Amino acid sequence: AQKITQTQPGMFVQEKEAVTLDCTYDTSDPSYGLFWYKQPSSGEMIFLIYQGSYDQQNATEGRYSLNFQKARKSANLVISASQLGDSAMYFCAMNSGNTPLVFGKGTRLSVIA
Amino acid sequence: EAGVAQSPRYKIIEKRQSVAFWCNPISGHATLYWYQQILGQGPKLLIQFQNNGVVDDSQLPKDRFSAERLKGVDSTLKIQPAKLEDSAVYLCASSQGLDHPYEQYFGPGTRLTVT
Repeated sequence: AQKITQTQPGMFVQEKEAVTLDCTYDTSDPSYGLFWYKQPSSGEMIFLIYQGSYDQQNATEGRYSLNFQKARKSANLVISASQLGDSAMYFCAMNSGNTPLVFGKGTRLSVIA
Repeated sequence: EAGVAQSPRYKIIEKRQSVAFWCNPISGHATLYWYQQILGQGPKLLIQFQNNGVVDDSQLPKDRFSAERLKGVDSTLKIQPAKLEDSAVYLCASSQGLDHPYEQYFGPGTRLTVT
């Protein structure tokens, strides 16, 4: 069975600063994918970034980067130059192939002006 | 490219009533998922379709929940009768399928309140 653990219920960050959201995972599958989604108050899940288990380099998408440490089974999300619009719930998730996503409980990020 | 569409966006019903949600996935996406997200938690899968066949419904409360995906495109999720604990956001997602399994696109969700 796959499991995602997000230990930070809430985080605060000053505008323009960088912030790291923690995620650890557990799986026995050798091939898997790790995802981060943003969920604003409107409720929609917005895909941010993806990391495959065999990818050699950490994934980056604009201001988002994924700090993938396979041996430690961690997939932390780094948001650089935080903006007020980044305030939202952030979910880490994983799957294997075409299986459904397994989500963590989420971290609520609040960006302070 | 149009995203995943869901309706209604909000629904309030009394317990023991029935309700149905509709989802239209991204055109050409073979795989469709229904997730339930209870307040304060991450989404949890209810059912997964591959075209019009069910792949995984192990977490679907089949005594009250049902879902179908006729013709392998649109899908409906029904609850009958509803309970208070069914209050949640119901998210529909789709992906291209086996060749492109890794990215799921989510709709805006339907927020259900059972009173």
